Amino acid sequence: EPEVTQTPSHQVTQMGQEVILRCVPISNHLYFYWYRQILGQKVEFLVSFYNNEISEKSEIFDDQFSVERPDGSNFTLKIRSTKLEDSAMYFCASETDGEQYFGPGTRLTVT
Amino acid sequence: AQSVSQHNHHVILSEAASLELGCNYSYGGTVNLFWYVQYPGQHLQLLLKYFSGDPLVKGIKGFEAEFIKSKFSFNLRKPSVQWSDTAEYFCAVMFSGYSTLTFGKGTMLLVSP
Repeated sequence: EPEVTQTPSHQVTQMGQEVILRCVPISNHLYFYWYRQILGQKVEFLVSFYNNEISEKSEIFDDQFSVERPDGSNFTLKIRSTKLEDSAMYFCASETDGEQYFGPGTRLTVT
Repeated sequence: AQSVSQHNHHVILSEAASLELGCNYSYGGTVNLFWYVQYPGQHLQLLLKYFSGDPLVKGIKGFEAEFIKSKFSFNLRKPSVQWSDTAEYFCAVMFSGYSTLTFGKGTMLLVSP
């Protein structure tokens, strides 16, 4: 069964550094999402992406964040200058027929 | 503002006990409803979903959920839990006009053998 994959599984970075989190959605899915979960808190929506552009974004998704689909398979989330409060698990999802399929997540630790 | 709440943050049951996890949302419009499960070390997996029709939906692994519109609830049930059901369970709602999911805080279920 096809799955959403994410790399790396764990990323440690210093405050102020740029990070790129990578996702490979299920092929032929057209809608893509990023969510995050800070330890002990809810899974929160960050951004959705369709037809090579952002379709929705939350208040969390400020100018420090960007998303890109650089080729036909990858879907990336970039955090330009990481802050301590960006430490979280980041989940990618792709959707078909109203169902979102989640990747295993990338645990980002900002020190 | 729309929100989703799960009443129990931690539930401990013995094997063969019955399970009911509560989920409520606040929103007056149409919703699509989901329950996801996250087993230790694994990713979120869809257990079941409700879009329309019969408000009692059956999912994988013997789980079911009932949508009660008047109560804005979508509670998850299983008649007899197993040790392998130990996981975190998330209720999620897609509010009409949005394609995103709003999650509850999750319920950690521990089933003792």
